[in-house]
Amino acid sequence: DGGITQSPKYLFRKEGQNVTLSCEQNLNHDAMYWYRQDPGQGLRLIYYSQIVNDFQKGDIAEGYSVSREKKESFPLTVTSAQKNPTAFYLCASSTTSQRGAFFGQGTRLTVV
Amino acid sequence: GQQVMQIPQYQHVQEGEDFTTYCNSSTTLSNIQWYKQRPGGHPVFLIQLVKSGEVKKQKRLTFQFGEAKKNSSLHITATQTTDVGTYFCAGVRAAGNKLTFGGGTRVLVKP
Repeated sequence: DGGITQSPKYLFRKEGQNVTLSCEQNLNHDAMYWYRQDPGQGLRLIYYSQIVNDFQKGDIAEGYSVSREKKESFPLTVTSAQKNPTAFYLCASSTTSQRGAFFGQGTRLTVV
Repeated sequence: GQQVMQIPQYQHVQEGEDFTTYCNSSTTLSNIQWYKQRPGGHPVFLIQLVKSGEVKKQKRLTFQFGEAKKNSSLHITATQTTDVGTYFCAGVRAAGNKLTFGGGTRVLVKP
């Protein structure tokens, strides 16, 4: 089945450690996105990518990094520089930014 | 930068009643999209509006895009318990490819 997969679903890390969240899609979509959602809040854009080897900062990119070496994959690294990393992270993809996005199941990151 | 605002933030609705949620962008949009997120789930794409003044319907849901392509609304008639969740609008700027979400309207239905 085609879809977008995020792993793991739950992730725990100690403060000061970098952590990488996986996002893979087999929908042949060009565009991919990373959003952060805090409890009871909306979605805030971290990074987005329209094509392989290219990505742009979103509204809250500080403390995060991404790569887009393959069309199918858009991993997000939460670095130790991110002051409040505990959140629900959602990855999405779309054919272009002009179409509806498909979301993964999300990764709930807890930093202790 | 681009901002997308939604009101109300919360909507408590009696089952069977109608309600409307509104979305406003600080910039002109190329298109606007609507999503629904059930509690504990991920956002699911509902619809996209592209043309100025466009109106689309999905069963009990009616979506409208403003003439200036800066605002949108979602109207739900005869609310059911299955309508519970958070409804987000998301805008794409005419000059860019960034998909920016509003803060969402959290809908609770009273049986």
